[in-house]
Amino acid sequence: SQQGEEDPQALSIQEGENATMNCSYKTSINNLQWYRQNSGRGLVHLILIRSNEREKHSGRLRVTLDTSKKSSSLLITASRAADTASYFCDPGGTSYGKLTFGQGTILTVHP
Amino acid sequence: DAGVTQSPTHLIKTRGQQVTLRCSPKSGHDTVSWYQQALGQGPQFIFQYYEEEERQRGNFPDRFSGHQFPNYSSELNVNALLLGDSALYLCASSFPDGYGYTFGSGTRLTVV
Repeated sequence: SQQGEEDPQALSIQEGENATMNCSYKTSINNLQWYRQNSGRGLVHLILIRSNEREKHSGRLRVTLDTSKKSSSLLITASRAADTASYFCDPGGTSYGKLTFGQGTILTVHP
Repeated sequence: DAGVTQSPTHLIKTRGQQVTLRCSPKSGHDTVSWYQQALGQGPQFIFQYYEEEERQRGNFPDRFSGHQFPNYSSELNVNALLLGDSALYLCASSFPDGYGYTFGSGTRLTVV
């Protein structure tokens, strides 16, 4: 399995603004997942996008996948203070459930 | 429906000691994975248990061992603790194919 690289390392925005973070990987994937971690607690699964999908929505979340560029982006629209968290991507697929994460993107949303 | 439960939530141990962390999976899940998350880093995969056997292992020394019980709960044991073992230890449960992945809130281990 491979590790994703999240970018930027940190992102600071005002409430109501949109937040975009990116994930790059090196080898072909079956799918890619995004997770959120609040303040050093457990990770919460946000969304899974399959390799044959280009875009997926879930509430205020929009994920895109560009397999030719080996990259994915996570867009959070109309950010809220509660969105303040670290965001991680896992490009290793879910085969047997071994997840591999980079350092993540730390998002801070100011009220 | 209870999620993944980990105990204890915090733990302080002395260098050289041994520690056991515990995890109860989400109802319906039979696969348990353990992760180590150092400060400022992403979680790193330690190993995974399924049918009471270690199915996969990450790049961790033999000081890290585990066990899964018939009720699918699991333990993580770390021997000869080093200062560098200080981290948040996360347990996650899932179905065998990896779907339904659910994390616990973790155990914060501090080695002094």
